[in-house]
Amino acid sequence: NAGVTQTPKFQVLKTGQSMTLQCAQDMNHNSMYWYRQDPGMGLRLIYYSASEGTTDKGEVPNGYNVSRLNKREFSLRLESAAPSQTSVYFCASSARISSGNTIYFGEGSWLTVV
Amino acid sequence: AQRVTQPEKLLSVFKGAPVELKCNYSYSGSPELFWYVQYSRQRLQLLLRHISRESIKGFTADLNKGETSFHLKKPFAQEEDSAMYYCALLGASGSRLTFGEGTQLTVNP
Repeated sequence: NAGVTQTPKFQVLKTGQSMTLQCAQDMNHNSMYWYRQDPGMGLRLIYYSASEGTTDKGEVPNGYNVSRLNKREFSLRLESAAPSQTSVYFCASSARISSGNTIYFGEGSWLTVV
Repeated sequence: AQRVTQPEKLLSVFKGAPVELKCNYSYSGSPELFWYVQYSRQRLQLLLRHISRESIKGFTADLNKGETSFHLKKPFAQEEDSAMYYCALLGASGSRLTFGEGTQLTVNP
């Protein structure tokens, strides 16, 4: 039972390079999220996907694109990385159960842009 | 728009003292509220959901709709409670999860 799996765990990029963060969940959840975590700013929502085939912008979408490839996978792409995108990125997924919603997080991806 | 505010970025208490981490929210409908804990930049772990009204590791939280608050409380803090705590709100549509800025709790011996 893997839950939410993110890759890579660590990455160093040069300014202007592109990369994709991968996220997959094996719990058949409808909703998936990408957050970035920065000191003193908590977790800020970048993009989310309420269901397969739909994506919506969160609080800080600029500089990012997402793709909900299927129900399991939700990827985050940086087309031209900037030092301001140095952060820890968390993927999450959620589903509604009888007692409310349940939400699970991945282990995080540490990204440094130099 | 939905919003979560945690007014204290840092909170320091002594072992055995009561602790309260504040959370206020702004939302026009009926949200679901959560508390998450994060130890040393690890994965966020669910601590409490207001719907289940449970007590985990001695922590409790009550949703006060009149004051739009969901404060986290523990009567006797332990050193192992030192961590970052996040309050989160899930909107009624169940699709958008918003976090507060977090409170770093330090429990001193």
